[in-house]
Amino acid sequence: DAKTTQPPSMDCAEGRAANLPCNHSTISGNEYVYWYRQIHSQGPQYIIHGLKNNETNEMASLIITEDRKSSTLILPHATLRDTAVYYCIVRSNNFGNEKLTFGTGTRLTIIP
Amino acid sequence: DTAVSQTPKYLVTQMGNDKSIKCEQNLGHDTMYWYKQDSKKFLKIMFSYNNKELIINETVPNRFSPKSPDKAHLNLHINSLELGDSAVYFCASSPRLAGGPNEQFFGPGTRLTVL
Repeated sequence: DAKTTQPPSMDCAEGRAANLPCNHSTISGNEYVYWYRQIHSQGPQYIIHGLKNNETNEMASLIITEDRKSSTLILPHATLRDTAVYYCIVRSNNFGNEKLTFGTGTRLTIIP
Repeated sequence: DTAVSQTPKYLVTQMGNDKSIKCEQNLGHDTMYWYKQDSKKFLKIMFSYNNKELIINETVPNRFSPKSPDKAHLNLHINSLELGDSAVYFCASSPRLAGGPNEQFFGPGTRLTVL
């Protein structure tokens, strides 16, 4: 079972920052937070991951609260191509635990 | 192009038939996976192989048999197809790095329709 809770859907205006929240109150000390997205009919795409510190890459930023019970994915300047289902996943990086357990995700719609 | 590829992209078949879906990755990864996405869009792991060795088998019916001839290929054979097998099947691969990101790269998916 997925160990995260996300809102089922969100809208964001094109050009604005999209902030997608995720609750993971039962996260363990060795578990990372991963974000993937799935654009309609395509395979899921990795976005970013983090353990404790905030992370940024060319796609997004990940803000993890100090108690690690929640996080926010930020798409700084959303475009229409960012319309997708976004999945927040927690998992360890230990061998034998390579699977990703997807929840229902957040369907993000970018409004022109 | 470096990627995870799957064939065929679409597969329509009758109940009771046996079919295969092929997956290849040229990323040099050690670990490959099969995921199933059903009509309600739930995406679930089926199998994971590391260097041709089965790592994860998520209580998938034994009609499904993954076969890994080498670490770049993980094919999925399905015997006696049932209506409930209709879904999109995604192959994925990742490097196997202790404590590393283990980012998974997904293929484009194979839409299987059982009539």
